[in-house]
Parts: sequence; C-alpha cells; structure tokens
Amino acid sequence: NAGVTQTPKFQVLKTGQSMTLQCAQDMNHNSMYWYRQDPGMGLRLIYYSASEGTTDKGEVPNGYNVSRLNKREFSLRLESAAPSQTSVYFCASTRRGGNEQFFGPGTRLTVL
Amino acid sequence: AQSVTQLDSQVPVFEEAPVELRCNYSSSVSVYLFWYVQYPNQGLQLLLKYLSGSTLVKGINGFEAEFNKSQTSFHLRKPSVHISDTAEYFCAVSDNPGRGSTLGRLYFGRGTQLTVWP
Repeated sequence: NAGVTQTPKFQVLKTGQSMTLQCAQDMNHNSMYWYRQDPGMGLRLIYYSASEGTTDKGEVPNGYNVSRLNKREFSLRLESAAPSQTSVYFCASTRRGGNEQFFGPGTRLTVL
Repeated sequence: AQSVTQLDSQVPVFEEAPVELRCNYSSSVSVYLFWYVQYPNQGLQLLLKYLSGSTLVKGINGFEAEFNKSQTSFHLRKPSVHISDTAEYFCAVSDNPGRGSTLGRLYFGRGTQLTVWP
C-alpha cells in the first residue's frame, strides 16, 4: 500500500500559469481533502470530496478548482497562479465511517 | 465552525526535560481531537487521537494528551523529550460525525514548533 501519493513534489510557476496537482489513494477511502499549509497559519482546507461525485468548498477555495476523477483520485487545479498561492499543499483521505485522516507527503509550490 | 488555538508558537526545551504543548478549541459540542506531528520537509503523522472514553490518551513516541471538556482543552505532554522530538506539532478538531459516519473536515491550530536542545 502506497497510502496517499501526491505529484509533483516540487513545482515553480510564473504568475498566470496554470497547473494541476494530483492526489491518489489506494486505501479505498471515500472522502478526500485538499489543504494548504502556510507558515504560522497551520493547515487550511481548500476543497473536499465527501464521496465520489461530490465536491465542496472549504475555508480558502478562491483561485482553485477540484475534480474527483474517480474514487482513487482527487486533483486540484490552479487556473491562473498568483504569488499568494505559494504554499505547501497536502492531500488527505478518510474511509467511510473512519475517524482519522491520512495525509500525503505534500507538494511544495512556488509562484514567482 | 470550530476554532483551534495553540497557545505557544515556539517551545524550546532541553533534552530530557518535560514538555507541555497547549491546545484549546472553541466548541462545546461533541468533538474528535487530534495531535499531528510534522518533521522537517515531511507530511503529517498522527500522534494520538481522542474519540470518546478515557480522557487521558496515549500516543506514539511517549506522548500523551488529556481531554478536558469543561476547559475545552487537549494539551499534549511528554515527561522527557529527546532531540528527535524536534518538529512542528498541530492540534486539530473535528465535529463528532456520529456513530458510523465519516469524519468530517479537520480544523487545525497554527502549530507549535518544539525545539529540543542538547
């Protein structure tokens, strides 16, 4: 079991460029989450997907879109990157009826 | 929405000293409580969790936490720290989703950087 995997590990973008962060889990979990981590701010929820086919906004959704491609995969898209989106992005997942979120290793994104 | 306050952003201690990292949350309704640890350039690893039952929860690496409902606190403690405990620690809370339901979103505190000096 790989658990939760994220690609890429690092990325540098120029302002205005777009990109998609990929997340996949092989634990047959139903719910998946995207967080961003900024110094002194902890982790803040961007979007989540309670189950395949559903997505909902979290605390800081502006500038992002998500796709729950299937049960395994949950991608995060930046359509027009801004320097304020420089952050470390974490994906997490939880099984149905579960009480713990499992986190991926993170993607470190820098927007110049 | 929940609010989580970690009262100290930085905690420096010497090796083998005891440590307490403080966490308070806002809601008095039924909640789940978590402590996660993040080592440099790594993801988050669960240290321990409180779901129900005994208010003293034991986790990995010798850490424990005590749930205090009246004070809405969930402080993390270790009686004797090691240099390898140097990391950032996050307290998180989720509304109790109810029996058989899936954990909802987590609300995180801003983190406490624990630095252990030799």
